[in-house]
Amino acid sequence: QVQLVESGGGVVQPGTSLRLSCTASGYTFSRHGLHWVRQAPGKGLEWVALIWYDGSKKFYGDSVKGRFTISRDNSRDTLYLQMDSLRAEDTAMYFCARLLGNIVDYWGQGTLVTVSS
Amino acid sequence: DIQMTQSPSSLSASVGDRVTITCQASHDISNDLNWYQQKPGKAPKLLISDTWNRETGVPSRFSGIGSGTYFTLTISSLQPEDIATYYCQHYGRLPAIPALTFGGGTKVEIK
Repeated sequence: QVQLVESGGGVVQPGTSLRLSCTASGYTFSRHGLHWVRQAPGKGLEWVALIWYDGSKKFYGDSVKGRFTISRDNSRDTLYLQMDSLRAEDTAMYFCARLLGNIVDYWGQGTLVTVSS
Repeated sequence: DIQMTQSPSSLSASVGDRVTITCQASHDISNDLNWYQQKPGKAPKLLISDTWNRETGVPSRFSGIGSGTYFTLTISSLQPEDIATYYCQHYGRLPAIPALTFGGGTKVEIK
């Protein structure tokens, strides 16, 4: 069965960096685009970034553009999110999610990022 | 950018009640509208895609309808296991940025 497992979250200070990973299994990783979606504590869902199945195209939400970088390693079945210049408002649970056509059909359980001094 | 507006933001209903959640898009999105259910501490789960296509395993009491800018998700007979927050979501298409745009969510509770 399809599984997405995020890792790399933690508590960091404002202005620092963090890299999240999402390891996939149960399907052919290189055939699907992937999103990062975040959810601040007690808030709704916010789209962060999307990467094409082959890494050829990347898109970002306005709130993270220029600070976050999405990438993937299809040889390792792994998705990444490099987060730089972190701010308090980046505090959230970060989910990776698989793209199937125009829907997101599988989600990981999330990894929590807390930005605090 | 397309905005998705959900209402109500929360509701309380009795077991067996019919519950309807609405989602309005700021522009015509045809039937490019999906619904997700998120239980506390869990990841969202896809319930309905393309306005009305129920995913495998989703109970038949969940149904979706709409087109253009107005969409609804109905639970025909609310069950205790339906307690969750529900989100509508639109996926942009190229040449626009293929972002995921979510509604603000509707928290469903049992009265």
